[in-house]
Amino acid sequence: DAGITQSPRHKVTETGTPVTLRCHQTENHRYMYWYRQDPGHGLRLIHYSYGVKDTDKGEVSDGYSVSRSKTEDFLLTLESATSSQTSVYFCAITPGRQSYEQYFGPGTRLTVT
Amino acid sequence: DQQVKQNSPSLSVQEGRISILNCDYTNSMFDYFLWYKKYPAEGPTFLISISSIKDKNEDGRFTVFLNKSAKHLSLHIVPSQPGDSAVYFCAASSSSSDYKLSFGAGTTVTVRA
Repeated sequence: DAGITQSPRHKVTETGTPVTLRCHQTENHRYMYWYRQDPGHGLRLIHYSYGVKDTDKGEVSDGYSVSRSKTEDFLLTLESATSSQTSVYFCAITPGRQSYEQYFGPGTRLTVT
Repeated sequence: DQQVKQNSPSLSVQEGRISILNCDYTNSMFDYFLWYKKYPAEGPTFLISISSIKDKNEDGRFTVFLNKSAKHLSLHIVPSQPGDSAVYFCAASSSSSDYKLSFGAGTTVTVRA
C-alpha cells in the first residue's frame, strides 16, 4: 500500500468555521491531489500540486484553498465551511514520470452542520 | 460538464458469471484510461489501466477493452466473485494534464451467491 494518510478521518463542524484537512505521504511523490466524492458525481478534483509551493485549481475549487510547504504534506482548507461542502474528501498521490496511476488515502468524512 | 460517463449506476451479477461495466468519454485528448475499485469507508484502489495505443489489456480476471472511435471502454470481470462487490470508477487522463484524472460517477456491482 502507498504510504498515504489523511487526518482527521472524521470531522463535524459548523457552518462558517474554518477547517483544514491534512494529507501526508511517505513516498516522496511529486504530485498530490485533493478530491471530493459525492453521490452521483464520482470523484471531482478540487486542487492539486505538482511540487512544493506549486499548486493549481481543479474543477470544483471554489471555497477551497491548498498549501504544500513540504513534499510530504498537502493541506486543504475550507476558509468558511458551508453545508454544500459536506462530503468525503480523498487525497491521492502519483510519482508522475509517465505513471498515471494515482494512489488514494483512506478519506476524511466531513459534515458541516 | 462530465467528460467521463458511467451510465449504469448499478449492476447485479451471479457469482461465477461475467460482469461487464461500461464507460464513455467525450474528450478526444484523453489517452490513458483506468479503472478503480472502492469498498465502503476506504479509498479507491487502482485496478487496471489501458493506454490509447492499445485496444485490450488483461490482468487475471480483469480485462479492459478500449474502442477509441466510439470513445468507449469496458471492464470485464470473469468469473465474478463475492469480493468483487464494490463501486467501480472509470477514469481518464491526457498526457498534457499533470496526470489529472477525470472520473465517472461509478457503478455499484453486487455479486449474488
